Amino acid sequence: EIVLTQSPATLSLSPGERATLSCRASQSVSSYLAWYQQKPGQAPRLLIYDASNRATGIPARFSGSGSGTDFTLTISSLEPEDFAVYYCQQRSNGFTFGPGTKVDIK
Amino acid sequence: QVQLQESGPGLVKPSQTLSLTCTVSGGSISSGDYYWSWIRQPPGKGLEWIGYIYYSGSTYYNPSLKSRVTISVDTSKNQFSLKLSSVTAADTAVYYCARFYGTNDHAFDIWGQGTMVTVSS
Repeated sequence: EIVLTQSPATLSLSPGERATLSCRASQSVSSYLAWYQQKPGQAPRLLIYDASNRATGIPARFSGSGSGTDFTLTISSLEPEDFAVYYCQQRSNGFTFGPGTKVDIK
Repeated sequence: QVQLQESGPGLVKPSQTLSLTCTVSGGSISSGDYYWSWIRQPPGKGLEWIGYIYYSGSTYYNPSLKSRVTISVDTSKNQFSLKLSSVTAADTAVYYCARFYGTNDHAFDIWGQGTMVTVSS
């Protein structure tokens, strides 16, 4: 099973700041990595697929990069609605999710 | 647009079988572009993929749950279902159905709202 590790576990930032979230895979997943946002009481929402492609309707402040084992989700300037938990997910071998990074208000 | 809605009992006794149904509206479950999935999330924890089914009936399960999981599809009702046998407290979770877009995003692009299932006597 491919294990995904996310860091940091919690990121405390202020609105307008840049957020950089990391996801590392235990073995190469090529570019087969997606990112999701989840707010309390809601289902996850797809943000990024295949490492760097924004899903339909996702604002340009969200961007993804990386390949192989190391990936990054960047939020260029945090809006109030961006404070949430973010999960990465691989589809290279079955499907697994990372443990999540919580972005909270500083 | 396509919407997914989970339904089923919110309380299941230990050792019994958990049964949930996902109804797809606004689109056909028989489209060849999608794989219909179940994903769960224990309270306060992360996401775990359970398995998926294609409209033809072919399935793919998480190896860690494979011995207890059955996913089926009813194209006439535009529904797919999950059965998880021999449940324990560890199976208490919010269960989501989700669409995996196999020919485009290659990700879970549409999710149901989720349904909480508690395993308790």
